[in-house]
Amino acid sequence: AAGVIQSPRHLIKEKRETATLKCYPIPRHDTVYWYQQGPGQDPQFLISFYEKMQSDKGSIPDRFSAQQFSDYHSELNMSSLELGDSALYFCASSQSRYEQYFGPGTRLTVT
Amino acid sequence: QKEVEQDPGPLSVPEGAIVSLNCTYSNSAFQYFMWYRQYSRKGPELLMYTYSSGNKEDGRFTAQVDKSSKYISLFIRDSQPSDSATYLCAMDTGTASKLTFGTGTRLQVTL
Repeated sequence: AAGVIQSPRHLIKEKRETATLKCYPIPRHDTVYWYQQGPGQDPQFLISFYEKMQSDKGSIPDRFSAQQFSDYHSELNMSSLELGDSALYFCASSQSRYEQYFGPGTRLTVT
Repeated sequence: QKEVEQDPGPLSVPEGAIVSLNCTYSNSAFQYFMWYRQYSRKGPELLMYTYSSGNKEDGRFTAQVDKSSKYISLFIRDSQPSDSATYLCAMDTGTASKLTFGTGTRLQVTL
């Protein structure tokens, strides 16, 4: 079965640079979620989109923005990167709003 | 205090043992309860999804929800070394689209 696809899988950036993470949801899933997971921590919700509109917002820094496109893929844009932004970034998708299926994640390292 | 509490472990059991993993929560608005399995550096994998109090069984896994006590459990029968992973409970109010996770319990099944 098709799964959530995330790219890139690994990303190394320097402080103050920008990064763009991409997410391709499972076909026919209409909702996309972004989570950030620091080392040894549980995933923290950042933002979600339903039918290309922002549906919920969590602890997402103002330096981050995201959108969902007409083909339902989503991009998380991160600017003025800080060392503390180093984490695993997961995208999840769902058809209903409850069963969220996670992608493999993008490991972002800020040096 | 976190909305969802989960013992981080580690929990070490011999192969074939019955494993009990638990979470407590404080937000009585949570209605949907999920268990995810996460291998190191991988995305969370949805194992069980339940709504309302009661039991749900799927193969070697049984999820139990007690809303009156704000307590959920995941039981793993005939545990295998391949079950060694971190198990995260997650909850949703049904009106918000974000999941609230526990910190995860690290399980080690030994030969």
